[in-house]
Amino acid sequence: QVHLVQSGAEVKKPGASVRVSCRASGYTFSAYYLHWVRQVPGQGLEWIGVINPRDGSISRPQRFQDRVTLTSDTSTSTAYMEVSGLTSEDTAVYYCVRDKDTVTTFYFEFWGQGTLVTVS
Amino acid sequence: ENALTQSPATLSLSPGERATLSCRASQSVYSSLAWYQQKPGQAPRLLIYDASKRATGVPARFSGSGSGTDFSLTISSLEADDFAVYYCQHRDNWLGTFGPGTTVEIK
Repeated sequence: QVHLVQSGAEVKKPGASVRVSCRASGYTFSAYYLHWVRQVPGQGLEWIGVINPRDGSISRPQRFQDRVTLTSDTSTSTAYMEVSGLTSEDTAVYYCVRDKDTVTTFYFEFWGQGTLVTVS
Repeated sequence: ENALTQSPATLSLSPGERATLSCRASQSVYSSLAWYQQKPGQAPRLLIYDASKRATGVPARFSGSGSGTDFSLTISSLEADDFAVYYCQHRDNWLGTFGPGTTVEIK
């Protein structure tokens, strides 16, 4: 079955960068888009961006384009999200999420366990 | 940006009652809308996609309806496991957008 296993919790200083990994198994990694979603404690869900592991193409909202880098490594079936210039407002749980279908739908079917990033 | 609003913010109901949650888009999203359930300490779970299709393993008491700008998620008879936060979400020009969520709490 599909599994997405994320790296462990991180504590960072303001201004630093953080990289979160997401290792996929149970399906063909390059066949499905991978999204990143975050959730500030006690608040709602926010979509950060998506990567097509097949060719590395990405899409991100304007507010994250300067600070969020998405990459993937098909040899290890692992996706990465890096956020730079961290502030306290970036303290959140970050999820990687697999798209529902191979023709991307932006429906988020399989979720990683989440990675808590604390900026303090 | 095609924003989503959800109402009510909180719904207080008893087990066995019917729950109806609303999601409204500022512009038409046709039928490209999903609903998610999130329980404390857990990742969200996809319930409904394409406005009315149940995801794999989702009980039949969950149903979705609507198109264009107005959508609903109905839970026909609430069970103890259904008290959670529910989010709607759509895709807009290669951008994902979530609504703010509705909390379904035990009355």
